[in-house]
Amino acid sequence: AQTVTQSQPEMSVQEAETVTLSCTYDTSESDYYLFWYKQPPSRQMILVIRQEAYKQQNATENRFSVNFQKAAKSFSLKISDSQLGDAAMYFCAYRAPLLGGSEKLVFGKGTKLTVNP
Amino acid sequence: DSGVTQTPKHLITATGQRVTLRCSPRSGDLSVYWYQQSLDQGLQFLIQYYNGEERAKGNILERFSAQQFPDLHSELNLSSLELGDSALYFCASSTRPSEQGQITGELFFGEGSRLTVL
Repeated sequence: AQTVTQSQPEMSVQEAETVTLSCTYDTSESDYYLFWYKQPPSRQMILVIRQEAYKQQNATENRFSVNFQKAAKSFSLKISDSQLGDAAMYFCAYRAPLLGGSEKLVFGKGTKLTVNP
Repeated sequence: DSGVTQTPKHLITATGQRVTLRCSPRSGDLSVYWYQQSLDQGLQFLIQYYNGEERAKGNILERFSAQQFPDLHSELNLSSLELGDSALYFCASSTRPSEQGQITGELFFGEGSRLTVL
């Protein structure tokens, strides 16, 4: 079974600084999807960034970027120029191939990010 | 706004009671997923439906059941409620690439239904 591990229960960063959240996963598949979701105090689950395993290029979305190391099964999230609104719980998630596999997302336990002014 | 609608947003009930949570997926999405998030916990997958059929089952208790109707909305029924069932229940939907010709893979989440069992 696929598992997702986030080894940092809590992280903090100063406003305008950069922070990296770690995520590792376990799978025997060669093609899959990885995601980072953000859950602010409102509890809404918001997609931050996605990465297709077949793509070698790391995904970026504005201040958010990932470091995808397929061989190491590592998928870290880097937040640059941190803002107060980035404070939230961040979940790493794995999804098996969409055709023929289980389609659910498997989530890590989350990392609580605090942004200090 | 994700396009996924969940009702009710908040629900308070007593132990032993039964409640029904409702979810309307995004227009065109055939898959519906239910997740449970207990206090300060990650999201636990409960069950998935695709176009009315159960497709995958996770850690769903026997006291819980779900179904997806012909109009694609879904309901999660929770019965014989216990204090430990208090949680945020999320519904999510997604689009299979074979129907839409677009592979994105993410799930779109509703705002959740917060259940409090007293």
